[in-house]
Amino acid sequence: AQTVTQSQPEMSVQEAETVTLSCTYDTSESDYYLFWYKQPPSRQMILVIRQEAYKQQNATENRFSVNFQKAAKSFSLKISDSQLGDAAMYFCAYRRWGNFNKFYFGSGTKLNVKP
Amino acid sequence: EAQVTQNPRYLITVTGKKLTVTCSQNMNHEYMSWYRQDPGLGLRQIYYSMNVEVTDKGDVPEGYKVSRKEKRNFPLILESPSPNQTSLYFCASSSLDRESEQYFGPGTRLTVT
Repeated sequence: AQTVTQSQPEMSVQEAETVTLSCTYDTSESDYYLFWYKQPPSRQMILVIRQEAYKQQNATENRFSVNFQKAAKSFSLKISDSQLGDAAMYFCAYRRWGNFNKFYFGSGTKLNVKP
Repeated sequence: EAQVTQNPRYLITVTGKKLTVTCSQNMNHEYMSWYRQDPGLGLRQIYYSMNVEVTDKGDVPEGYKVSRKEKRNFPLILESPSPNQTSLYFCASSSLDRESEQYFGPGTRLTVT
C-alpha cells in the first residue's frame, strides 16, 4: 500500500528566513505525481507545487521549490523568504496513476511564521 | 468560475439522524472524492468515483455511502451518524489527466452529539 509520511508535525521559521518541510512516501510504482498543498486557517486547500516522477528537474514556483529524490522516495518543500501569509498547514500528497488512480495524503505539517 | 461547492458548511446533528452532504463541481471532472480531516491524521479518503456509476471505497468507508448518478454531483450520505464521525469533510474533484491536481471544496464541519 502507498503511504505518505510527514515526520514534522509542527515547525517554526522567522520571517524572511528559509524553511524546509519533509515528506517521504512508499511506492512500488515508477510513474506518479507528487503535490504540496497549503491549508491556511480558512481551511481552503490550495495547491502549492507539483512534481512528476519522470522529471529529474526539481519544480519551482516563485519562493517555493522542491527537492525530489526519487531513489530515496523523498519530496521536501523549501520555502524561501518566508512571509507571514505562509503560516498554514502543509500537506504532501502522492497520486498513483493508471488503473488505480488515487491520491494519498500525509498527516500534515503546521508551519508557524514569526515576525 | 471553476469551483467545487459543498453544502452545508457547518452541521450539528444527533446520533442516528440520517444526513447528506452535497458536493457539486462545474469543471466536468471525471474523478471525485470525499475525505475527512482529523487532527494528526491528515486527510483520509472515504470514497472516490472515477466516473458516473463508478465508485470505490477509500481508506475509511465504514459508516458512509455515496452515489454518482450525475457527473457533477457526488453526495456523501451518513445513514446513522455516530460521534466518531465528527470531523471536517472535504469533497474534491480532478480530471483523469495524469498531471491534474485535485480541486477542493470549502469543507463541511460536522458535529455529531
